[in-house]
Amino acid sequence: SYELTQPPSVSVSPGQTARITCSGDALPKQFAYWYQQRPGQAPVLLIYKDTERPSGIPERFSGSSSGTTVTLTISGVQAEDEADYYCQSADSSATYVLFGGGTKLTVL
Amino acid sequence: EVQLVQSGAEVKKPGESLKISCKGSGYSFPSYSIGWVRQMPGKGLEWMGIIYPDDSDTTYSPSFQGQVAISADKSISTAYLQWSSLQASDTAIYYCARRSLTLIFFDSWGQGTLVTVSS
Repeated sequence: SYELTQPPSVSVSPGQTARITCSGDALPKQFAYWYQQRPGQAPVLLIYKDTERPSGIPERFSGSSSGTTVTLTISGVQAEDEADYYCQSADSSATYVLFGGGTKLTVL
Repeated sequence: EVQLVQSGAEVKKPGESLKISCKGSGYSFPSYSIGWVRQMPGKGLEWMGIIYPDDSDTTYSPSFQGQVAISADKSISTAYLQWSSLQASDTAIYYCARRSLTLIFFDSWGQGTLVTVSS
């Protein structure tokens, strides 16, 4: 079965750069998307089509893609960025939606 | 403004049935698919299935096929998630989310419905 794999946790100090990876065999064929979920809140879309940022999302959030891995980069991390981050994509036939297991970002 | 408003928290006993709702507003409800996502306590997001309200065409995740039923009533801009016999393992927050028109991602989310199943 198709899976998306994320590291369970990433820790960075304020002002540093955080990178969260997501790996999956279908990623070369399907776009990846990223969501931020703060405690007690619904997920919010951060990145779509691998690299595009919706209006209202700060420029410090960016996405990139290389082969079977996509990466969410948060530049100049702020305390408010402490949250869970999920990648999402679809299977190669575009039938099923899949989420990665999520990465907890801790701002030290 | 696009809004998805979900029904309130539920407390049920094992074996009981339940139907929760998700009402869309601020856009053409029939034209956008609605997905359902489960989040068990302290765990990640799990896609359950998706429905296209205009013709009720539905696709389920293999993990949830036969466990839940997804439906929609486009006349009242509402999607539903239903269980016929709840189990304690169904305790979770359930989110509905609007799928983008052309791509496979969710651009707007409901606030979530907490379902607690306990004897």
